[in-house]
Amino acid sequence: EVQLLESGGGLVQPGGSLRLSCAASGFTFSSHAMNWVRQAPGKGLEWVSGISGSGGRTDYADSVKGRFTMSRDKSKNTMFLQMNSLRAEDTAVYYCAKSQYQLLYTTDDAFDIWGQGTMVTVSS
Amino acid sequence: EIVLTQSPGTLSLSPGERATLSCRASQSFSSSYLAWYQQKPGQAPRLLIYGASSRAAGIPDRFSGSGSGTDFTLTISRLEPEDSAVYYCQQYGSSPPLTFGGGTKVEIK
Repeated sequence: EVQLLESGGGLVQPGGSLRLSCAASGFTFSSHAMNWVRQAPGKGLEWVSGISGSGGRTDYADSVKGRFTMSRDKSKNTMFLQMNSLRAEDTAVYYCAKSQYQLLYTTDDAFDIWGQGTMVTVSS
Repeated sequence: EIVLTQSPGTLSLSPGERATLSCRASQSFSSSYLAWYQQKPGQAPRLLIYGASSRAAGIPDRFSGSGSGTDFTLTISRLEPEDSAVYYCQQYGSSPPLTFGGGTKVEIK
């Protein structure tokens, strides 16, 4: 069964850091780009970042550029989101999501598998 | 950045009725980069449609997508009670950022 399992969420003070993980199983991890999408309480979906299957390309939303870093470990079938300089507006459920293809921005691509999400709360 | 505007904000219909959800983009892009998702309360989103009109695996054929350029539509031909959810369109364009619409909530009377 294809599955994504996020972990690492929690309560952190403004200015603090947190590292999210997303463990993948049931598919060839390096053959698919991966993404982080967040959803603030009661709000819509916001794409945060994406990484190609090889890890050679990463992209970020302007709202997190320079503060968040996405990476992946092929040997562990796991991807990560290092979040620094956290702000109250980063409070959200963070989902990892699998792309159908290896490269970012491929035609007919979409996020076909999602994890259950992990909650990040930034508050003093 | 491509902004996606979804309408209506809320749709309240009876079982068996047809639902038509709109997604309008601030600039034209290839329909190959348009997807639709369904999200029920407390759950992660689920992919329904990709490439504007291709159904994802396991999605019932009462869900269909269409459109091109700046105007895209998700149609649910015969609503069932389990279709109560928020529906999001997404553009997965040729460059970042990827963007989502604000969502349409479908309520079943």
